[in-house]
Amino acid sequence: QAQLVQSGADVRRPGASVKVSCQGSGYEFRNYINWVRLAPGRGLQWMGRINPNRGDTHYPRNFRGRLTMARDTSIDTVYLELNSLTSDDTAIYYCVRDGGALVPNAFDLWGQGTLVTVSS
Amino acid sequence: DIQLTQAPSSLSASVGDRITITCRASESVDTFLNWYQHKPGEAPRLLIFEASKVQSGVPSRFSARGSGTDFTLAISGLQPEDFATYYCQQSSITPFTFGPGTKVDIK
Repeated sequence: QAQLVQSGADVRRPGASVKVSCQGSGYEFRNYINWVRLAPGRGLQWMGRINPNRGDTHYPRNFRGRLTMARDTSIDTVYLELNSLTSDDTAIYYCVRDGGALVPNAFDLWGQGTLVTVSS
Repeated sequence: DIQLTQAPSSLSASVGDRITITCRASESVDTFLNWYQHKPGEAPRLLIFEASKVQSGVPSRFSARGSGTDFTLAISGLQPEDFATYYCQQSSITPFTFGPGTKVDIK
């Protein structure tokens, strides 16, 4: 069945970078992949999206400059890289599929989540 | 950015109860409004898309309605597995935004 599998938990120092991967399987890997994070006590936050086929990205303005999304079409994988980490970036990061034509404008398939902890 | 508010922020209910959660947008999102259920330790789950369409596999006790700026999610006949946090999310315009969540716990 369709699934998104993410890389494992990571611990980073303040000021460092983190890269999280998300591999799709069980479906044609062409729908937009979004990244959403859940920080302690702060609810869900959309971080942007990437089109796995074309590679075009869209980042919200509050992440521009320190966020990069990329893809490797040969292995149906997308990546999120976040730079200049602070403790506020401690969160569970989810990759999430846009439902496309069947479930338009909604996130219908979620990865299992990757806990990123920023701590000195 | 479009802001979403939810009410209540939390509620206590019993198995079998009917509950409703509201979501209000700071400007019209037409029907580009989705609802998710989130349980600790799990990934969120899509329940409702385009304001009122029930996602495949979601029990019929879940329903939703609304358009423009005001939306509601209802659960009729609350089950033990429904105790969770519920989020609304708008997909009308980027940045896509989520409501702050409504935590439903057992009375």
